[in-house]
Amino acid sequence: GAVVSQHPSWVICKSGTSVKIECRSLDFQATTMFWYRQFPKQSLMLMATSNEGSKATYEQGVEKDKFLINHASLTLSTLTVTSAHPEDSSFYICSAHWTSGRHTQYFGPGTRLTVL
Amino acid sequence: GQNIDQPTEMTATEGAIVQINCTYQTSGFNGLFWYQQHAGEAPTFLSYNVLDGLEEKGRFSSFLSRSKGYSYLLLKELQMKDSASYLCAATTGTASKLTFGTGTRLQVTL
Repeated sequence: GAVVSQHPSWVICKSGTSVKIECRSLDFQATTMFWYRQFPKQSLMLMATSNEGSKATYEQGVEKDKFLINHASLTLSTLTVTSAHPEDSSFYICSAHWTSGRHTQYFGPGTRLTVL
Repeated sequence: GQNIDQPTEMTATEGAIVQINCTYQTSGFNGLFWYQQHAGEAPTFLSYNVLDGLEEKGRFSSFLSRSKGYSYLLLKELQMKDSASYLCAATTGTASKLTFGTGTRLQVTL
């Protein structure tokens, strides 16, 4: 099956710093990747759709200048949380869209971000 | 707008059968996914329904009625390891965008 990795799996940072999270599709090319955020005991909320070679599409209420997304290649998308604050602490999950498979989205293992 | 509803919590006994319902109101609906998510982990794929009817896969089955905007996930012969959150998600539009429901936390007891 398709494999998606995320790095780092967890990160702790100070308030005001920036954190970059990588999402890689390891054995297939993903023209589209999705970034989700999940707060404790809540469901996944789509933040943005990342398209290779073009600007990301952000969901309503998500600040594009705070959550920078870059999809530079068909196997890598990055999410940078800029000037992180404690309220940004969450579980960030990416998924990659695999058009050849019936199960079109494969999820990465997630990144736990804690902002002190 | 998109609206997907599930019960928040359910409890069932080991060895029993449980049905988790999901109702949706979405535009541009393509199909419906069910995912299992254990605490602190990413969701794992369970099923995907596009056509009306029941699809069975081992102990898990999923049903879809497009006309009623309704789906359910049926878990048979429950095991303790089935304690997890179960998320239904509708895929819409051409970009296969997923909209998740609120998730149902299932607790399997002895």
